Amino acid sequence: GENVEQHPSTLSVQEGDSAVIKCTYSDSASNYFPWYKQELGKRPQLIIDIRSNVGEKKDQRIAVTLNKTAKHFSLHITETQPEDSAVYFCAATGPLEGNEKLTFGTGTRLTIIP
Amino acid sequence: DTAVSQTPKYLVTQMGNDKSIKCEQNLGHDTMYWYKQDSKKFLKIMFSYNNKELIINETVPNRFSPKSPDKAHLNLHINSLELGDSAVYFCASSQYHGTGSYEQYFGPGTRLTVT
Repeated sequence: GENVEQHPSTLSVQEGDSAVIKCTYSDSASNYFPWYKQELGKRPQLIIDIRSNVGEKKDQRIAVTLNKTAKHFSLHITETQPEDSAVYFCAATGPLEGNEKLTFGTGTRLTIIP
Repeated sequence: DTAVSQTPKYLVTQMGNDKSIKCEQNLGHDTMYWYKQDSKKFLKIMFSYNNKELIINETVPNRFSPKSPDKAHLNLHINSLELGDSAVYFCASSQYHGTGSYEQYFGPGTRLTVT
């Protein structure tokens, strides 16, 4: 089955600086890679996702890059703000049109230092 | 207009008891899931149902039994609760849009504490 590794487990960044979280996956058949943000005591929420036919996707201050050959994908947050503090999870799946089994990484606790 | 709801939000019970957690989604999605998030925040899938049919059944003790009376509801019954069952249980739902996005919508979670 799929195995997703995520690094670092904790990350502290000065407000305004950039943050990068990296993930690797094992199953070359995986073709969908979402990122979820979980604030303290809240539910995980999708912030951005990418499919394997795309190398990069950007949404305002958030971007995701995918290297299918190396089986790496990364989340980039620019101009970080205090509200970016949360736990971020990467995930991977080979979707079966409705039967998506997401395998999550172990999470990164991001702290933005004012 | 809650999308995915769960009850109860908190559940404190003693070892050996049997308890249920209920989940409902009003998004019209075909697929629903149960996840367990332990104290280290690891999120692991337990079960998935598609149109009331069990499609994912991870290595979970058979003390855990999901039930889907219809595609909007997925309940989780746990028998003979153990200390290690203490965790936050999240329900989620999703729908394949054909656009490449398979966003899973999570419920607010049920914090289960077994004493």
